[in-house]
Amino acid sequence: GQQLNQSPQSMFIQEGEDVSMNCTSSSIFNTWLWYKQDPGEGPVLLIALYKAGELTSNGRLTAQFGITRKDSFLNISASIPSDVGIYFCAGQYNTDKLIFGTGTRLQVFP
Amino acid sequence: SAVISQKPSRDICQRGTSLTIQCQVDSQVTMMFWYRQQPGQSLTLIATANQGSEATYESGFVIDKFPISRPNLTFSTLTVSNMSPEDSSIYLCSVLTGTFNADIQYFGAGTRLSVL
Repeated sequence: GQQLNQSPQSMFIQEGEDVSMNCTSSSIFNTWLWYKQDPGEGPVLLIALYKAGELTSNGRLTAQFGITRKDSFLNISASIPSDVGIYFCAGQYNTDKLIFGTGTRLQVFP
Repeated sequence: SAVISQKPSRDICQRGTSLTIQCQVDSQVTMMFWYRQQPGQSLTLIATANQGSEATYESGFVIDKFPISRPNLTFSTLTVSNMSPEDSSIYLCSVLTGTFNADIQYFGAGTRLSVL
């Protein structure tokens, strides 16, 4: 099935560093979502974006809905060990199907 | 949000057998979905479980292999039939539920299936 291009594929960073990841698509979306998946768990919603240009924060996380509606980025500031996991972007055009990104695997070293 | 319970959480099955996975939600939801996540991969939508009618399958997935039931607005099952090792994956249930702004998909913890 269709997937969004997400980069980087993996990141290995020191605790305290900032992280940035992005997602691009050839199609436009009405909604961009960012999920985090911990080992042995299902994806958990972090941030939802509903209109082009929107910038939304959730604690140390900030995400933006690209102006073209074909991209989004997620920033994590001052990373901590519990930020470890896989981060997925997802685009939604109608209020049903989600198209998922390929995922960014984040590893944080103390 | 919604509380989603999936059973079993994991299973190890023999080739050729079938496994039925259950998904229970703590509130009535219109739309429920089933996803597959192969090892180290992203999530791929298998089908939308429609209450009172046949599920809507995505390209590459067929009803004979992945029969789905949706008897009411809080429950659905996915069966993985005639399993082979290639079916070893995480199977995830999700539901679409409203927030103050729009509908969002929430996920269960998944069922980890290993086929020997």
